[in-house]
Amino acid sequence: QVQLQESGPGLVKPSQTLSLTCTVSGGSISSGGYYWSWIRQHPGKGLEWIGYIYYSGSTYYNPSLKSRVTISVDTSKNQFSLKLSSVTAADTAVYYCAGTGTDAFDIWGQGTMVTVSS
Amino acid sequence: SYELTQPLSVSVALGQTARITCGGNNIGSKNVHWYQQKPGQAPVLVIYRDSNRPSGIPERFSGSNSGNTATLTISRAQAGDEADYYCQVWDSSTQDVVFGGGTKLTVL
Repeated sequence: QVQLQESGPGLVKPSQTLSLTCTVSGGSISSGGYYWSWIRQHPGKGLEWIGYIYYSGSTYYNPSLKSRVTISVDTSKNQFSLKLSSVTAADTAVYYCAGTGTDAFDIWGQGTMVTVSS
Repeated sequence: SYELTQPLSVSVALGQTARITCGGNNIGSKNVHWYQQKPGQAPVLVIYRDSNRPSGIPERFSGSNSGNTATLTISRAQAGDEADYYCQVWDSSTQDVVFGGGTKLTVL
């Protein structure tokens, strides 16, 4: 059974770049035609899709975040990563990595809280 | 951009049927997915492609989608069903993933 685990700093300073990694275990990131996504949830709020990547490297980003987001994949490490630049307090959220083989997210990481503060 | 509208909250008596709606322009032409999220936990897929249940999801959970409204139905509601529920679509015209704002289900 495929599992996802997010990792990265829990505290980021304003104007810096938020960097998170999602490790895929129990299966290959390159198999099954899965798209790998990042989704965030502001405290007490709903879910916001950030973007997704296919194992081949093709990406698509939420237009509202596109100018600041980069999602990449490292098939040799079975990982995919998120970079969000020029962060502000508004980027404080729980960040989830998730996978979809169709168009529904059937695999989720446990989520990691990231706080933007000086 | 495509928008999905959910009621902020829905209440249901224990053992009764809860219905949570998700409104969107011609949503009936799209695949709608539903997630359950309990406090402090990651979302869990409970219905995919309008009306399909992943393995392990009770038959009490069902879904429908037509016209401008998709509906998640929870029969014989249990205390353990109290959670936030989100609908989601993949907008094929823009390749965007869209979530509804979420509905808090309270079981009385």
